[in-house]
Amino acid sequence: QKEVEQNSGPLSVPEGAIASLNCTYSDRGSQSFFWYRQYSGKSPELIMFIYSNGDKEDGRFTAQLNKASQYVSLLIRDSQPSDSATYLCAVRPAPNAGNMLTFGGGTRLMVKP
Amino acid sequence: DAGVIQSPRHEVTEMGQEVTLRCKLISGHNSLFWYRQTMMRGLELLIYFNNNVPIDDSGMPEDRFSAKMPNASFSTLKIQPSEPRDSAVYFCASSSLETQYFGPGTRLLVL
Repeated sequence: QKEVEQNSGPLSVPEGAIASLNCTYSDRGSQSFFWYRQYSGKSPELIMFIYSNGDKEDGRFTAQLNKASQYVSLLIRDSQPSDSATYLCAVRPAPNAGNMLTFGGGTRLMVKP
Repeated sequence: DAGVIQSPRHEVTEMGQEVTLRCKLISGHNSLFWYRQTMMRGLELLIYFNNNVPIDDSGMPEDRFSAKMPNASFSTLKIQPSEPRDSAVYFCASSSLETQYFGPGTRLLVL
């Protein structure tokens, strides 16, 4: 069983809609949670991170963390065609794991004009 | 800030040849990660270093793969001999705390 699970998609949403991307993780001791965006043929780039339960907003992006249910999600408001990419969820396991991250398989998002 | 630098960006080689991939960390960062990405297996961690010391190499596929960090800012990943199944995009990432920043990747094709 993979430690970080994501639906591979593709998730298709119309331009202007809210895109909701979800991620579950198995290690209950996980500390930090990251969302990366990867355009086709490019490297992953960090969008945002979240450490505490609840919501964290950054522009059109909102990360939501629920440690009790072991899931983290990313909402993209007012989705644009330029948001079309693969979104990778990454989890830092227990504190003794150093700076290592465990990545999910990614969800491909398609925003249609 | 220059970001993580990788070279070469593309490599085409024949089976059995030695391949060396290079990575330069962001100045001031002390952790380096080597990943491999394929459509089938996604992003896999191969090895990571902290302060030049290899911490976890459990992701290295087999003895054909080796990685070194001769100084605080530079690392190499070597495949010898290379095989067609090694074809993938190889990323290195550096971090100073928890956040990892990825280089542009090396696209490797082994014929």
